[in-house]
Amino acid sequence: QQQVKQSPQSLIVQKGGISIINCAYENTAFDYFPWYQQFPGKGPALLIAIRPDVSEKKEGRFTISFNKSAKQFSLHIMDSQPGDSATYFCAAGGYNKLIFGAGTRLAVHP
Amino acid sequence: DGGITQSPKYLFRKEGQNVTLSCEQNLNHDAMYWYRQDPGQGLRLIYYSQIVNDFQKGDIAEGYSVSREKKESFPLTVTSAQKNPTAFYLCASSLERGGDTQYFGPGTRLTVL
Repeated sequence: QQQVKQSPQSLIVQKGGISIINCAYENTAFDYFPWYQQFPGKGPALLIAIRPDVSEKKEGRFTISFNKSAKQFSLHIMDSQPGDSATYFCAAGGYNKLIFGAGTRLAVHP
Repeated sequence: DGGITQSPKYLFRKEGQNVTLSCEQNLNHDAMYWYRQDPGQGLRLIYYSQIVNDFQKGDIAEGYSVSREKKESFPLTVTSAQKNPTAFYLCASSLERGGDTQYFGPGTRLTVL
């Protein structure tokens, strides 16, 4: 009930393409769904987050799509750039803590 | 500058030694967290604290201890009881409990020799 499953484990995208990372959760009590970006040797930084009362949120090239009935949410990175190459973590939260997915290593090739 | 600082950045320890990792925040956040990160496993919660002088175990607390004597400080001690302590340790804080944005520090990489 506490797991957050993230896929794919790794992703290679050409510059200008769309990167899509998916997450699924089990606990319907979760009410906060952030995505974090992490560069090697650094701490994760919040990228974008969504609450279950909306189905989509967009900030620049980054979009979260949220499907409450399927208990799934995804991150779309439009016009992917080499500078987007990093590890991305989804998380699901509620009542004191976040449960993190295992991460997706994204490589954007020029 | 407001933020979270962790020290040291790299730490080496001999087997059987306890070691303490520092985490300080000047964001005036109430809640603080410690995570462990291993390759391919994401972030796992070790301990968290919602207020001063109170803290709770996370999912992998065995072999670790914490204290929260000041709002801005949440040190983590990795004890000799921790079987596999080599990992990247991340401290985070959030303004309030539950479901809110967590801000992470730069991390401490601990290596047991």
